[in-house]
Amino acid sequence: EVQLVESGGGLLQPGGSLRLSCAASGFAFNSYWMHWGRQAPGKGLEWVSRIDNDGSRTDYADSVKGRFTISRDNAKNTLYLQVNRLRVEDTAVYYCARGLFWGIQDVWGKGTSVIVSS
Amino acid sequence: QSAVTQPASVSGSPGQSIAISCSGTSTDVGAYKFVSWYQHHPGKAPKLMLYDVTTRPSGVSDRFSGSKSGNTASLTISGLQAEDEADYYCASYICDTCPVVFGGGTKLTVL
Repeated sequence: EVQLVESGGGLLQPGGSLRLSCAASGFAFNSYWMHWGRQAPGKGLEWVSRIDNDGSRTDYADSVKGRFTISRDNAKNTLYLQVNRLRVEDTAVYYCARGLFWGIQDVWGKGTSVIVSS
Repeated sequence: QSAVTQPASVSGSPGQSIAISCSGTSTDVGAYKFVSWYQHHPGKAPKLMLYDVTTRPSGVSDRFSGSKSGNTASLTISGLQAEDEADYYCASYICDTCPVVFGGGTKLTVL
């Protein structure tokens, strides 16, 4: 069964840092692009970042560029999102997703919650 | 950055059909046959329901169908069921280096 399981969320103060993880199983992780997305309370889905299958190319939403870093460890079948200089508006459930062509995301995890509050 | 527009809410009774629109421009929805739709029940993982406008992934009910005319794509759900009540998001390919842009989402209520 194809599965993605996020972890690492928590409650942080503004300016804090966190590393989110996404453990993948049931498919050839090193053959797929991977994405992070998020949903803030009461808001819609927002795409955050993507990484190609070998980690050589990364892209970011303008809202997180320079503060978030996506990476992957294909030996561990794990995707990461390093989130720095957190803002209150980064409060959201963060999802990882497997990428297909044209930006399509065909499998998603259940998410991990990040709350930024003073 | 492109903005793809969806109605905030739609509703229908069990057994009825409803359509959710996804309006873009000639540089996104209108330019490519690469519109996808996602279903999201609160607290659960989002689910891909359609891609390439009309293609259903394996396991998705054939009650879900898609179409596109000009700069507007649509998701149609026929034979509405209570379990279809969820938020639905469209997304359109823009370019290889462009951000993925989701529509604002549509809350479907099954009356």
